[in-house]
Amino acid sequence: EVQLLESGGGLVQPGGSLRLSCAASGFTFSDYAMSWVRQAPGKGLEWVSAISGSGGATYFADSVKGRFTISRDNSKSTLYLQMNSLRAEDTAVYFCARDSRGTCNSPNDYWGQGTLVTVSS
Amino acid sequence: DIVMTQSPDSLAVSLGERATINCKSSQTVLYSSNNKNYLAWYQQKPGQPPKVLIYWASTRESGVPDRFSGSGSGTDFTLTISSLQAEDVAVYYCQQYHTSPFTFGPGTKVDIK
Repeated sequence: EVQLLESGGGLVQPGGSLRLSCAASGFTFSDYAMSWVRQAPGKGLEWVSAISGSGGATYFADSVKGRFTISRDNSKSTLYLQMNSLRAEDTAVYFCARDSRGTCNSPNDYWGQGTLVTVSS
Repeated sequence: DIVMTQSPDSLAVSLGERATINCKSSQTVLYSSNNKNYLAWYQQKPGQPPKVLIYWASTRESGVPDRFSGSGSGTDFTLTISSLQAEDVAVYYCQQYHTSPFTFGPGTKVDIK
């Protein structure tokens, strides 16, 4: 059974940093691209970032480019999102999602339950 | 960036009736090399993560009831629920995965009339 478990969310001050993790199980992690998608309270879905199965290709939304870094450790079946220079508008539930293929241009077929990031002083 | 729009913002349909949601992309999401539309539909119920219903614009995900269908090509797409059930109350999103950033539409809320 495919499982994705996010962790690392919490309250952080504006300008601060946070690292999210997503522990994956139930599939060969390196065979699949992975994504982060966020949802601000009461709002719609916003695609944030994606990384190919090998980790060799990464993509970012304009709103986070230069501030967020995506990475993966295939030996640990874990996806990461390093978030720096956080702003109030980054407040959201962050979902980890599996892409259906090894490349990033594919739909997300499994999702975690999400972890809440709150940016506030 | 490819901008995704959806219409209507919300709709209320009687049980057993048809619900139709439209999605439009600002650029084509059709790859001519493989003739595939890089367009997915997701369903999100309150307090839950999204669930993929349709991908490649018209391919139903395994386990999704056949009352859900997707159609369209290029820049104009439709999600149809042929006979609305109570459990279909949710917000529905389209997403293009043709070109990064892989943008979502704003969502359409479906309720029971």
